[in-house]
Amino acid sequence: KAGVTQTPRYLIKTRGQQVTLSCSPISGHRSVSWYQQTPGQGLQFLFEYFSETQRNKGNFPGRFSGRQFSNSRSEMNVSTLELGDSALYLCASSYGQGYTGELFFGEGSRLTVL
Amino acid sequence: AQSVTQLDSQVPVFEEAPVELRCNYSSSVSVYLFWYVQYPNQGLQLLLKYLSGSTLVKGINGFEAEFNKSQTSFHLRKPSVHISDTAEYFCAVSEMNTGFQKLVFGTGTRLLVSP
Repeated sequence: KAGVTQTPRYLIKTRGQQVTLSCSPISGHRSVSWYQQTPGQGLQFLFEYFSETQRNKGNFPGRFSGRQFSNSRSEMNVSTLELGDSALYLCASSYGQGYTGELFFGEGSRLTVL
Repeated sequence: AQSVTQLDSQVPVFEEAPVELRCNYSSSVSVYLFWYVQYPNQGLQLLLKYLSGSTLVKGINGFEAEFNKSQTSFHLRKPSVHISDTAEYFCAVSEMNTGFQKLVFGTGTRLLVSP
């Protein structure tokens, strides 16, 4: 069974630009969550999608948005990039029902904002 | 709201020695507890989880953890570490019965195993 796939793995943007990150969950998984990892703030929850609906959202500004498609693939978008948005963005998937607590993480997309 | 405290940012240890990584949490509601491991340039992998039942939980790679409700702790232990255990370890909690999946992580403990 293929794992969680995130693309691109690395990218460099400049301030003011926007970026879209993609996540393909494990086959059969309907829940996709996104986390931001930085040295200063650690791992922080961005949002979670289940069956194309956002079920929960973390404490991030509106520049951070996401969506989920009917095949459970998810994208997150960050508009008007700031230097502080430089981070590793991790996607995690799970079945989303009958919660067992195990999230399966991808290797992440490392974003550098110059 | 929940919070997780990992007091040790870095733990150096010699190969084959025992190790304990400490985790304390705070929550006004019942929570599930987890330990994840992150190897360099990789995502997170679940080591073990406590949902209910026995307070001693065994995970992968010889790790185990004990849930102590009175002390709100969930310390991770391994009796004998290997060089390959060098990684960053994260303790996490999630609120029970919310119907959605959200983990609150600690700041991580870097385990450094030397020969």
